[in-house]
Amino acid sequence: GENVEQHPSTLSVQEGDSAVIKCTYSDSASNYFPWYKQELGKRPQLIIDIRSNVGEKKDQRIAVTLNKTAKHFSLHITETQPEDSAVYFCAASIRQGAQKLVFGQGTRLTINP
Amino acid sequence: NAGVTQTPKFRILKIGQSMTLQCTQDMNHNYMYWYRQDPGMGLKLIYYSVGAGITDKGEVPNGYNVSRSTTEDFPLRLELAAPSQTSVYFCASSYGFRGQIYGYTFGSGTRLTVV
Repeated sequence: GENVEQHPSTLSVQEGDSAVIKCTYSDSASNYFPWYKQELGKRPQLIIDIRSNVGEKKDQRIAVTLNKTAKHFSLHITETQPEDSAVYFCAASIRQGAQKLVFGQGTRLTINP
Repeated sequence: NAGVTQTPKFRILKIGQSMTLQCTQDMNHNYMYWYRQDPGMGLKLIYYSVGAGITDKGEVPNGYNVSRSTTEDFPLRLELAAPSQTSVYFCASSYGFRGQIYGYTFGSGTRLTVV
């Protein structure tokens, strides 16, 4: 079936530095790519998303880039803060019967003070 | 708007017991989904629905059943619970229109332990 690969599985950065998480997808028809942040014991929360007609989107310290040709997209977090520590999931839409999201395996981001 | 509401939040089942996880949304979303998340892992799709009366299997449907009698409700039924079904279950909903999805929102989850 269609899948999404996410790397790295763990990432540790110093406070104030940047963090980058990368994902690749297999379905060339995917047209929606959200990123979710999940804190321990909580639900996944949408932090930013991008659609296939856009190459880049930014929201304050968070940005997402999309390369449709290579079928990969990335999350960039600048000026990291301790509250950015969480598990981050990328996802890609697939359309088999209906639109739904397939998730990557997650990246545990730790911000060291 | 309450969004997506799941009940119960926690449950312990004995092997072979059955239960229903409830999910309701008040956003008038046409699509609804059930995912499971095992410890330290990503989310895997169990079942989904594109509207009342229509359901379909996801990646890991074995051991589960669903129904969608109304737009708002999408209960997940576990028959003959097994330890392998110990997981956190998330319900989600979205609005699907002309090949796009919008507002993909998760409930707060149900933590299920089968002993």
